[in-house]
Amino acid sequence: DAGVIQSPRHEVTEMGQEVTLRCKPISGHNSLFWYRQTMMRGLELLIYFNNNVPIDDSGMPEDRFSAKMPNASFSTLKIQPSEPRDSAVYFCASSTPVETQYFGPGTRLLVL
Amino acid sequence: QKEVEQDPGPLSVPEGAIVSLNCTYSNSAFQYFMWYRQYSRKGPELLMYTYSSGNKEDGRFTAQVDKSSKYISLFIRDSQPSDSATYLCAIGMASGAQKLVFGQGTRLTINP
Repeated sequence: DAGVIQSPRHEVTEMGQEVTLRCKPISGHNSLFWYRQTMMRGLELLIYFNNNVPIDDSGMPEDRFSAKMPNASFSTLKIQPSEPRDSAVYFCASSTPVETQYFGPGTRLLVL
Repeated sequence: QKEVEQDPGPLSVPEGAIVSLNCTYSNSAFQYFMWYRQYSRKGPELLMYTYSSGNKEDGRFTAQVDKSSKYISLFIRDSQPSDSATYLCAIGMASGAQKLVFGQGTRLTINP
């Protein structure tokens, strides 16, 4: 199994630009999670989906953040407009109802 | 008060030492307890998973849960330089596809 796939692995952008992060969950996993990790705040859950439906988006910091899951094998996290304080590592994770979460390698985002 | 408290360290010990990593939590509704290991510039990977009080052993690793004290521990015996990583505790209210709350992570270095 290829595991959770995230792209891009690194992203450098300028403040105000739109950023789109992508995730392909493990085949057969019907839950998908987006996290953000910083030194100051640790690993924070942003949003999670069950069967492509957003269940809890209470961790999404602002309206500038949005996430979609159009089908079982693809999800996006979009930041528009991006700000320097959005710089972090963004992780996607997936799971089945009876297993715990498996994480992707992360996307390192730097907003200048 | 944070839902999960974990000493961020850093913790540095000599090779072969026994390592003890700990987390406390505040909500007695949490029923599932996990330890993740995260190597530098990688995603967290599941190390141990338990849902009952007591000890669970896997090779050199032992996870301990004390629900009455809301305290969880991870012990590493005969520590190796390859164990150098950040260790995150994670707790959840149900198995699988539910929210996990992560500790801050403890950065561990094993010195040869």
